[in-house]
Amino acid sequence: NAGVTQTPKFQVLKTGQSMTLQCAQDMNHNSMYWYRQDPGMGLRLIYYSASEGTTDKGEVPNGYNVSRLNKREFSLRLESAAPSQTSVYFCASSADRGYNEQYFGPGTRLTVT
Amino acid sequence: KQEVTQIPAALSVPEGENLVLNCSFTDSAIYNLQWFRQDPGKGLTSLLLIQSSQREQTSGRLNASLDKSSGRSTLYIAASQPGDSATYLCAVTGTASKLTFGTGTRLQVTL
Repeated sequence: NAGVTQTPKFQVLKTGQSMTLQCAQDMNHNSMYWYRQDPGMGLRLIYYSASEGTTDKGEVPNGYNVSRLNKREFSLRLESAAPSQTSVYFCASSADRGYNEQYFGPGTRLTVT
Repeated sequence: KQEVTQIPAALSVPEGENLVLNCSFTDSAIYNLQWFRQDPGKGLTSLLLIQSSQREQTSGRLNASLDKSSGRSTLYIAASQPGDSATYLCAVTGTASKLTFGTGTRLQVTL
């Protein structure tokens, strides 16, 4: 049972480049989330998907897009990377939105130069 | 807007000591509170989840309490070990089912 997996683990981008962060869970959870973690800021919600086929903005959605590809997979896309998007990105999942324990992936460390 | 505060930001204790980590939140209208552990360069590991109707949860040497009306939670770690060294985060699920995190307490347990 792998839980929540994320790829890649590390990535360096130049300003203006695009990339997609991948996330998958094997716990049959309905809800999935993308967070970013910055020093002194705590974790902040970027986007979430309460169930397959739905996505909603979180606290800091600007500059990002998401796709809930199926029940298992939830991807985060940066269309035109900026240095302000240098961060550690975490994907999480829970059985249902909000009321259940959230399980986190290992994170993707992204640097934009 | 919900705000979650964790005090102290950092703590160093000798092995074997019992310790308490504090978490406070400004909006008591929460569904649950979750404590996580984060090791350097790693993801978050869920330690305990307390539903709003509960007062405490226990797992091994860990005990978490919740006083929703006063906006406080504590994580008690008994007989601390060097392997407990990590950053401990609390997070509350509030209105709109949004999870709001504190900035964490960095714990070091020394030999």
